[in-house]
Amino acid sequence: GESVGLHLPTLSVQEGDNSIINCAYSNSASDYFIWYKQESGKGPQFIIDIRSNMDKRQGQRVTVLLNKTVKHLSLQIAATQPGDSAVYFCAEIPGGYNKLIFGAGTRLAVHP
Amino acid sequence: ETGVTQTPRHLVMGMTNKKSLKCEQHLGHNAMYWYKQSAKKPLELMFVYSLEERVENNSVPSRFSPECPNSSHLFLHLHTLQPEDSALYLCASSLLGTGKPAFFGQGTRLTVV
Repeated sequence: GESVGLHLPTLSVQEGDNSIINCAYSNSASDYFIWYKQESGKGPQFIIDIRSNMDKRQGQRVTVLLNKTVKHLSLQIAATQPGDSAVYFCAEIPGGYNKLIFGAGTRLAVHP
Repeated sequence: ETGVTQTPRHLVMGMTNKKSLKCEQHLGHNAMYWYKQSAKKPLELMFVYSLEERVENNSVPSRFSPECPNSSHLFLHLHTLQPEDSALYLCASSLLGTGKPAFFGQGTRLTVV
């Protein structure tokens, strides 16, 4: 039967632990990737990005890893905090006018 | 605050109504986008305007009509919608050719009754 809602994979972590959120992208021609965070009732918020000529980029408490061989992207969050609880989306851009192609998203739940 | 402002934040409309969603950015961006986010599907690209010209229409029904009068403003005109059109409508903007990410507004939560 028809799904009544989008079932997002959920990652549950303890406060202070490190979190790893994974994403598989589809287009080999994509050369730019972005991670967005979406809190309840808000629009997606930019976290970190990476270009295809890199395999790792670090920000404040976050690291993005890119494996072009297997078309895989991951977001690592260090010392996860309750404020990190949200849905995380990866997006790929095949080029051109920044047309974002989003993955389904992963819900991160941080427990005290 | 991303610099992309959407109004209204919430909208309830009947199937025979006509309404418009508004998006505004003063970031100097030259591309603007409409996305739909529903409970049943991930974020779906609806329309893209590049330099005020529509460059993408992702098979969106004609009951959704976008308008981009200038590079700072984007509208989505709605008429004779269906209950399944109820969703969060997100506007985004970006600066082409800079390699910078798109920024999103807070969205308009639309309910069609």
